[in-house]
Amino acid sequence: DAGVIQSPRHEVTEMGQEVTLRCKPISGHNSLFWYRQTMMRGLELLIYFNNNVPIDDSGMPEDRFSAKMPNASFSTLKIQPSEPRDSAVYFCASSYTQINQETQYFGPGTRLLVL
Amino acid sequence: AQKITQTQPGMFVQEKEAVTLDCTYDTSDPSYGLFWYKQPSSGEMIFLIYQGSYDQQNATEGRYSLNFQKARKSANLVISASQLGDSAMYFCAMREGGGIQASGSRLTFGEGTQLTVNP
Repeated sequence: DAGVIQSPRHEVTEMGQEVTLRCKPISGHNSLFWYRQTMMRGLELLIYFNNNVPIDDSGMPEDRFSAKMPNASFSTLKIQPSEPRDSAVYFCASSYTQINQETQYFGPGTRLLVL
Repeated sequence: AQKITQTQPGMFVQEKEAVTLDCTYDTSDPSYGLFWYKQPSSGEMIFLIYQGSYDQQNATEGRYSLNFQKARKSANLVISASQLGDSAMYFCAMREGGGIQASGSRLTFGEGTQLTVNP
């Protein structure tokens, strides 16, 4: 079975440019998560969706970040305008949410470098 | 206060020996889940094992087992018969609450332990 798919795997851009990260969750999963990993802050949740609806976006750093999930098989995380401090690895994860048990499976990540 | 604490920034083990990676957690929620993930140098996050707060038995998955001590709020990962391919960063994570809640699906991660397996 295909795991979580993320694209692009690597992105290098210049400050001020728009960046769009894409994620395809595992088929049948109903929850999708965006995480960011940096040396300074470790792994932190940015936003998560359940049944395509954003449930918790309290981790989104600021208005420059936005995320959408137009359908069950696709999500985007957009940064506009990008800044050097946004450089990080961005992970998408998905799970099948049910009472008391859900395991999040991660995609390979997108390594973002903003110059 | 840290919700997940991994006190060992780095650990070394000889190939074929067992190793324990420590994890303590802090929550007042009676329903929670504990997870361990492995992150090799290639960067992906690989799910290893899960323990629910109401599970009576310690979780096991092949060479991985979770030593769950609820009263002490610890969830240590035990890797038996270490292999060179086990060299990686290991993260302990916790989900508080059950099912679909405002924060019920959020995973909080520890800072990780870098495990090196020596030949």
